[in-house]
Amino acid sequence: QVHLQQWGAGLLKPSETLSLTCAVYGGTFNDYYWSWIRQPPGRGLEWVGEISHSGNTNYNPSLKSRVSMSVDTSKNQFSLNLNSVTAADTAVYYCARRDRYADTWILSYWGQGTPVTVSS
Amino acid sequence: EIVLTQSPDFQSVTPKQKVTITCRASQSIGSSLHWYQQKPDQSPKLLMKYGSQPISGVPSRFSGSGSGTAFTLTIDSLEAEDAATYYCHQSSSLPLTFGQGTKLEIK
Repeated sequence: QVHLQQWGAGLLKPSETLSLTCAVYGGTFNDYYWSWIRQPPGRGLEWVGEISHSGNTNYNPSLKSRVSMSVDTSKNQFSLNLNSVTAADTAVYYCARRDRYADTWILSYWGQGTPVTVSS
Repeated sequence: EIVLTQSPDFQSVTPKQKVTITCRASQSIGSSLHWYQQKPDQSPKLLMKYGSQPISGVPSRFSGSGSGTAFTLTIDSLEAEDAATYYCHQSSSLPLTFGQGTKLEIK
C-alpha cells in the first residue's frame, strides 16, 4: 500500500523560503514522477512541478523562477523549495505520485496536504 | 498551456438523481483526461483515468467518457456521500492543468 507523508513549516513571512518534504512508504521510489500541487484557500488545484527519481525536473512556468525540487533516493523522499514567498503562495500543498499508464502519467497517490500561510 | 473548462461550477442535486459534469479542453488531449473527487479537508481522490477507465474501489455509479476536447463524468443514482468537488485534470502536456472544479451539493 503506497502512502505519502509530508511535512514542513506552516507559517512563513513574506520573502522567506517555503520548504516541504514528502516521504514515500510502500512501493518502489524509481519509475515514477513525484509532483507537488497546491490549492489556495477556497480555490482550485495548481500543479507546481515534479521530479523523477534521477533528479529530472519539470516546473510550472508560472513559478519556475522561484521553485526548486530535490530527491533523496536513500530515504525515499523528495522536497520542494519555493523562495521569495508572498501572500499569493498561501495554499495547501500536496505531494503526489505520477504513475505511467498507456501513453501518459497519472497523479494516482496523494499526500495528506500541508497548509502553508504567508503573513507578516 | 491547456485550459480545462468544467460545467457547471455548482449543482444542487437530490439523492438518486443522475448527474453529468462536462470538461472541455482548449486543444485535443487524446484520452489523457482524469477525474478527481475532493471532499472538504481531504486530498483529491482519483475516480476515473484516461477518460473512461474506472479506478479499483470506486463505485460503479461513476462513469466517464470522451476524447479529444470533450469529456464527461456521470454519476448514476447519486448518493449523499457523493457531495464533493470534482476536478478534471489533463496529463497530455506540461504544465499539468486542472479544471476549475464542480461542486455538488446534496439537497
